[in-house]
Amino acid sequence: AQSVTQPDIHITVSEGASLELRCNYSYGATPYLFWYVQSPGQGLQLLLKYFSGDTLVQGIKGFEAEFKRSQSSFNLRKPSVHWSDAAEYFCAVVPFTGGGNKLTFGTGTQLKVEL
Amino acid sequence: EPEVTQTPSHQVTQMGQEVILRCVPISNHLYFYWYRQILGQKVEFLVSFYNNEISEKSEIFDDQFSVERPDGSNFTLKIRSTKLEDSAMYFCATQTTNREQYFGPGTRLTVT
Repeated sequence: AQSVTQPDIHITVSEGASLELRCNYSYGATPYLFWYVQSPGQGLQLLLKYFSGDTLVQGIKGFEAEFKRSQSSFNLRKPSVHWSDAAEYFCAVVPFTGGGNKLTFGTGTQLKVEL
Repeated sequence: EPEVTQTPSHQVTQMGQEVILRCVPISNHLYFYWYRQILGQKVEFLVSFYNNEISEKSEIFDDQFSVERPDGSNFTLKIRSTKLEDSAMYFCATQTTNREQYFGPGTRLTVT
């Protein structure tokens, strides 16, 4: 079955430490891939996306993500986390074929930043 | 920077009542969506709307739900007879042709 998996429900990192949030997908063809962030009381903000081409994509707020076809993964990274990065992060996909344009979200990873 | 807006930010209603959630899309966007997020669960797709008609809907989007764009700007989600399980955060999202969806801040619906 088609799915998006975020294995980590909660992650805690110290401010200034590096961060990697995992996302795996299970689709026949590589879908369009997205990362969104949701701060408390806020909507979902698009961090970055991957459609094709260079497998390392840069986004806003210093985030980047790497697409690895062999691992069906699209992990989000940041070299040095700031306290303001504490939020919930969602990986999402749009199927490449069929399925229209609707986003299918993972269950999210709650990031806590320790000062 | 243009943004999607939603009203109200919080709506409390009694079971069986009708509610209308409103969204103002980004002006040049053509595709419109409603998603919902029940507390503690993931964001779920409800419906997509393009060219003044529904292009896709989920199993959640039953006959109690409807969408329309009454005046060419607002995009509304109506729930005819609310149930307790409709309590959730409802997000509107809009998109141009590039598959990037931009979300509003959400409406928290509480059904009592």
